[in-house]
Amino acid sequence: EPEVTQTPSHQVTQMGQEVILRCVPISNHLYFYWYRQILGQKVEFLVSFYNNEISEKSEIFDDQFSVERPDGSNFTLKIRSTKLEDSAMYFCASSGTVREQYFGPGTRLTVT
Amino acid sequence: QKEVEQNSGPLSVPEGAIASLNCTYSDRGSQSFFWYRQYSGKSPELIMSIYSNGDKEDGRFTAQLNKASQYVSLLIRDSQPSDSATYLCAAKGTTDSWGKFQFGAGTQVVVTP
Repeated sequence: EPEVTQTPSHQVTQMGQEVILRCVPISNHLYFYWYRQILGQKVEFLVSFYNNEISEKSEIFDDQFSVERPDGSNFTLKIRSTKLEDSAMYFCASSGTVREQYFGPGTRLTVT
Repeated sequence: QKEVEQNSGPLSVPEGAIASLNCTYSDRGSQSFFWYRQYSGKSPELIMSIYSNGDKEDGRFTAQLNKASQYVSLLIRDSQPSDSATYLCAAKGTTDSWGKFQFGAGTQVVVTP
């Protein structure tokens, strides 16, 4: 069964450093998303992406964040200058329509 | 602020019994609703989707939607210890917010043998 994959599974970085989180969505899906979940809190929407551009973003997704689909398979989330409060699980999701979204296993980001 | 509300639990359910989970949403324009299961430290796993008023059954799971009351529920029949997890309710907004899911904080379910 096709699934969303994410790398790395765990990323440790120092405050102020740039990180890139990578996702490979399900191959025939066209809509891509990033969510984050701070430990013990709810899943929060960050950004949605369709047709090579951002469709919607939340107030969390400020100028420190960017997304890119550099080729036909990868979908990346870049955080330019990480802060302690960026520590969270980051989930990539994809969907074939604007309905069900399927989540990847997540990347745990730890900012020290 | 558009919210999805769930009781945090834990909801303790004897093995073999029915677990009943509830969810309310504030955005009356929401059209699509989803239940995800999340094991500790894992990602959300889609269980059910429901778009129309009424019931939708899939195996041991039944989702119920009442748009007039802005209420979604999930029933888990014949609960098993493997059903112990946090269940997340998600709502997708109107066409001006086509891709964004609003998640509730989740209800923790504990199935006791």
